[in-house]
This record gives sequence, structure tokens and C-alpha cells, in this order.
Amino acid sequence: RKEVEQDPGPFNVPEGATVAFNCTYSNSASQSFFWYRQDCRKEPKLLMSVYSSGNEDGRFTAQLNRASQYISLLIRDSKLSDSATYLCVVNMLVYGGSQGNLIFGKGTKLSVKP
Amino acid sequence: EAGVTQFPSHSVIEKGQTVTLRCDPISGHDNLYWYRRVMGKEIKFLLHFVKESKQDESGMPNNRFLAERTGGTYSTLKVQPAELEDSGVYFCASSQVTPGEQFFGPGTRLTVL
Repeated sequence: RKEVEQDPGPFNVPEGATVAFNCTYSNSASQSFFWYRQDCRKEPKLLMSVYSSGNEDGRFTAQLNRASQYISLLIRDSKLSDSATYLCVVNMLVYGGSQGNLIFGKGTKLSVKP
Repeated sequence: EAGVTQFPSHSVIEKGQTVTLRCDPISGHDNLYWYRRVMGKEIKFLLHFVKESKQDESGMPNNRFLAERTGGTYSTLKVQPAELEDSGVYFCASSQVTPGEQFFGPGTRLTVL
């Protein structure tokens, strides 16, 4: 079983649509959770961290359910510029205490059309 | 402020040759990470430096890969000898603290023929 699983998509939506991405993680020792955005042939960039209480940043809302080991990202009023691959990322405590080891999902591709 | 830089941006080599990738982290970032994305797979962690010390190298695939960070500034990742399955995009990232937001470089696209 993959450590972080995402629906690969692609999600093809019209401008203005609301789109939701889901992600599950297998290791209950996961400590921190993130959504990264990656444009075609570019590096991943942090979109937002995800907290148990849920958090919102403009049109983006992220939720974490630790009991179900499930993370979600909701994009409202999608724009053409939201077209990208969205990566679900977790990290864990490892032996010695380091939390440097980011674990990535394969990503969900979003294409927003006019 | 300059971001994470990587050199070269592309490298095409033949199987059996040696390649050295370089990463310059954001100035002042003690933490430096190497990741790799092989075609069709997810980005995978390779190793983590804190200053010049290897904090975690659990992701290094085999002893053909050697990472160094002498002086705790830039880092190099050498692949010797390169194999076909080493092809992919090698990303470097840095962070000020651990855990902390990791800033990624543009990557080096390595093709082994």
C-alpha cells in the first residue's frame, strides 16, 4: 500500500467551479500535513499546511481527519491559473526525532478551462 | 532573496558515466534535502543534511549515490556509475528549521542513455 494515496485525475473543470481533492495516508505516525502545488516541469511549492482544526486561505480550504487518516483540499471559484498538479504531502517523526522526511503522493492534476 | 538553485538544469549521460549535481540552498538554511522523481512515480526523499552532517540518508537507493555538504553550504550529489533507472528529476530543498517549510529548487533533469 502506498504511504500517501491520491486520485491522479485529471480533473477537468470550468472556471468558477468548486473542486475537491482527497488524500489518504497509511502511517498513523504522520505528524505534519501539507498541500503542495506543482506547475508543469517546475518545482513543488507549498500551497498550505493542514491542521486538525481545518484551515482556509482565500479560495482554498484544507481539512485533516486523523481518525480516518484523510486529508482534503477544496478550491472554490476556480481560476485558469489554478491549473497545476496538487501534491498531498506528509511527514513523520523518524528515529532520532528528525521530521525532514517529506512523503509525497503522486499528485492530482487539475485543468481549469474557460 | 535568492531561492534554492541547482546546477545543471539538464544532464544527459551514458550508462556507466559519472554525474555530479549541485545544490545551493537559501542562505542561512541549515537544513538541506535531496529528493528524486522517477518518471511516473511520486517524489521520493533521498537524504537530509543539517549543516554538514547527514541527519537521515534512509532514502538513498544504493552506494552508487554519494552526497556531500562540505562546509555546510552547498551540496553535491554524485552518481557513479550511472544506470538507466537513475533517470529522473532530482530536486533539492532547504529549510531554516526542522520541521519547517521546505523550499524547492527547480530540479536537475537527468537522463541516462
